Amino acid sequence: DGGITQSPKYLFRKEGQNVTLSCEQNLNHDAMYWYRQDPGQGLRLIYYSQIVNDFQKGDIAEGYSVSREKKESFPLTVTSAQKNPTAFYLCASIPRLTDFSGNTIYFGEGSWLTVV
Amino acid sequence: KQEVTQIPAALSVPEGENLVLNCSFTDSAIYNLQWFRQDPGKGLTSLLLIQSSQREQTSGRLNASLDKSSGRSTLYIAASQPGDSATYLCAVQIYNQGGKLIFGQGTELSVKP
Repeated sequence: DGGITQSPKYLFRKEGQNVTLSCEQNLNHDAMYWYRQDPGQGLRLIYYSQIVNDFQKGDIAEGYSVSREKKESFPLTVTSAQKNPTAFYLCASIPRLTDFSGNTIYFGEGSWLTVV
Repeated sequence: KQEVTQIPAALSVPEGENLVLNCSFTDSAIYNLQWFRQDPGKGLTSLLLIQSSQREQTSGRLNASLDKSSGRSTLYIAASQPGDSATYLCAVQIYNQGGKLIFGQGTELSVKP
């Protein structure tokens, strides 16, 4: 079945360390997103990508970096510059960025990142 | 700046009750509005999507309405069941920043047997 796979499910980061969260989709979707969710809050956009080799900052991009070398993959790196990284991270995708004619967005199962 | 608010933040009802979750947004320039379900520690599952030109959508026991002029949407759940217990999030899709979704904080629903 098609879907979005995020890994790892749980990740612990030490102070000063960079960590990378994986997001892979086999839906043949062009557009991919990374969202952050803090407890009791809605989701906030970190980065998004329309096509391969293109990505744009969202509302809270500071301290994060992404790459889009392959259509199916959109990894997120949480750098040491992100001072409060403990959160639930969700990857999502839609078929095309300009096609809002009823295509719903698909989410992965999320990754929990904790600073130790 | 678009803001999305959901009321109430939490709701507890006995099984079988009909209930309404509310969502409001500040800017009517939206592509669509979507309702999602999130189980604890899980990703989001799309429940209903209402295009900006539509007034409502139905799926099984769920009915969502949209009033763009007043900036409001409601999610109606009929004959609630314990399996409906989850957090429900609404989100509007806007024209800029890649058509991003702006989410409300969610309503945590608990349906007691």
